[in-house]
Amino acid sequence: AQKVTQAQTEISVVEKEDVTLDCVYETRDTTYYLFWYKQPPSGELVFLIRRNSFDEQNEISGRYSWNFQKSTSSFNFTITASQVVDSAVYFCALRPFTGGGNKLTFGTGTQLKVEL
Amino acid sequence: DTAVSQTPKYLVTQMGNDKSIKCEQNLGHDTMYWYKQDSKKFLKIMFSYNNKELIINETVPNRFSPKSPDKAHLNLHINSLELGDSAVYFCASSHTFRDYAYNEQFFGPGTRLTVL
Repeated sequence: AQKVTQAQTEISVVEKEDVTLDCVYETRDTTYYLFWYKQPPSGELVFLIRRNSFDEQNEISGRYSWNFQKSTSSFNFTITASQVVDSAVYFCALRPFTGGGNKLTFGTGTQLKVEL
Repeated sequence: DTAVSQTPKYLVTQMGNDKSIKCEQNLGHDTMYWYKQDSKKFLKIMFSYNNKELIINETVPNRFSPKSPDKAHLNLHINSLELGDSAVYFCASSHTFRDYAYNEQFFGPGTRLTVL
């Protein structure tokens, strides 16, 4: 069975602070994918990043960075110099590399509030 | 040039009614999905179709029936609506899992269903 845990239900920060969203996962698969999605107040789900389990290289995209650590089954997401527009619910998700019908297992999400 | 579209965006109906939600994607994907997001924002897959073939049916009541007339469309029909069906329903699409390089799922804007 696959499981994704986002222990932080809600985080509030002041603009320009850095913030890290935690994601811990469980799977019996040796190869898999991890994803982050953003759900702003408007409600749509926006794809942010995909990471393969065999590629542990960290990734940076502008103010966003992701730290994948297979040894601790974690895929954390850091926003540097947060902005009000970053306010959203962020979901971490897990998917088998093959099989499982492409099924995404989502975490419960972390509500990020960035205030002025 | 909307990638994944859903209609309607809002659906308010009485208990016991039958309703449909339509989904279309113009990304050339061959796999489509339905997800349900409950009031606590928890996202769970309901169905997955690959090339019009049902791949995942995730213990959803048989009052829910997906219909895929072609690869670009996956509609969701719900019979005898119940109060507990109130949720946001998201359609998504992706390339088939075999094409691992580009397999992230892209989501529609969601349909907020309210059953009174």
